Amino acid sequence: AQTVTQSQPEMSVQEAETVTLSCTYDTSENNYYLFWYKQPPSRQMILVIRQEAYKQQNATENRFSVNFQKAAKSFSLKISDSQLGDTAMYFCAFPLDSNYQLIWGAGTKLIIKP
Amino acid sequence: GAVVSQHPSWVICKSGTSVKIECRSLDFQATTMFWYRQFPKQSLMLMATSNEGSKATYEQGVEKDKFLINHASLTLSTLTVTSAHPEDSSFYICSARGTGTLAGELFFGEGSRLTVL
Repeated sequence: AQTVTQSQPEMSVQEAETVTLSCTYDTSENNYYLFWYKQPPSRQMILVIRQEAYKQQNATENRFSVNFQKAAKSFSLKISDSQLGDTAMYFCAFPLDSNYQLIWGAGTKLIIKP
Repeated sequence: GAVVSQHPSWVICKSGTSVKIECRSLDFQATTMFWYRQFPKQSLMLMATSNEGSKATYEQGVEKDKFLINHASLTLSTLTVTSAHPEDSSFYICSARGTGTLAGELFFGEGSRLTVL
C-alpha cells in the first residue's frame, strides 16, 4: 500500500533559524512526484515545492529545499532563515495515480517564534 | 497563475437543509477536480474525484447520496451536502488538476467551512 508518514506532529523554532520537516513514504512506483504543501491559518493550501522522482537533483525554491533520498523513500523539507509567515501546517503528499489523486501525510504544525 | 475559487467560504445552515458548495477554475479548464474534507488539526481526507461529464468516483465510506457531486462543465464542480446534520460540519476543500501547459499541477480552492446547527 502507498503511504505517507510525517513523524513530527509539531515543531517550533526561533525566527531566522533553519528547520527540517521529515517525510517518508512507501510506493512501488518508479516515476512519481512528491509535494510539500503549506496550509497557513487562512486554510488556503499552497504548494511549497515539488520534486520529480526521476531527478537526482534536489528541488529548491528560494528558502525552501528538499533532501530527496529515493532509495530510503525519504523526502524532507528544509526551511532556511525561517520567517514568522512560515508558521503553518505543512503536508507531504504524492499522487496515487496519473489523475493526481494525492496521498497526504498527517501534517506537521510549524511555529516560528519571534 | 491559475486560480481555483471556492464559494461560499463559510456557511451556516439548519439541520435538515441542503447546502451547495461551488468550485470554479477561473482561468483554466479542469477535467478532474477533487473534493476533500478536513477535520480540525487533521490532514485532508479525499471524499471523491469529480470528472467532467461523468459520475464522480467516491471514496469508501463516503455516502454518494449524502454528498452529491456534479461536474457539468470544464470549469465548475459542485458539492451538495443533502439533509445536513451537525456531524457534517467541517472544512471542505476542492482542488483542480491542470491541463495543457498546466498539466501536472494541482490548484486548491480557499476552502468552505460548513456549520450545521
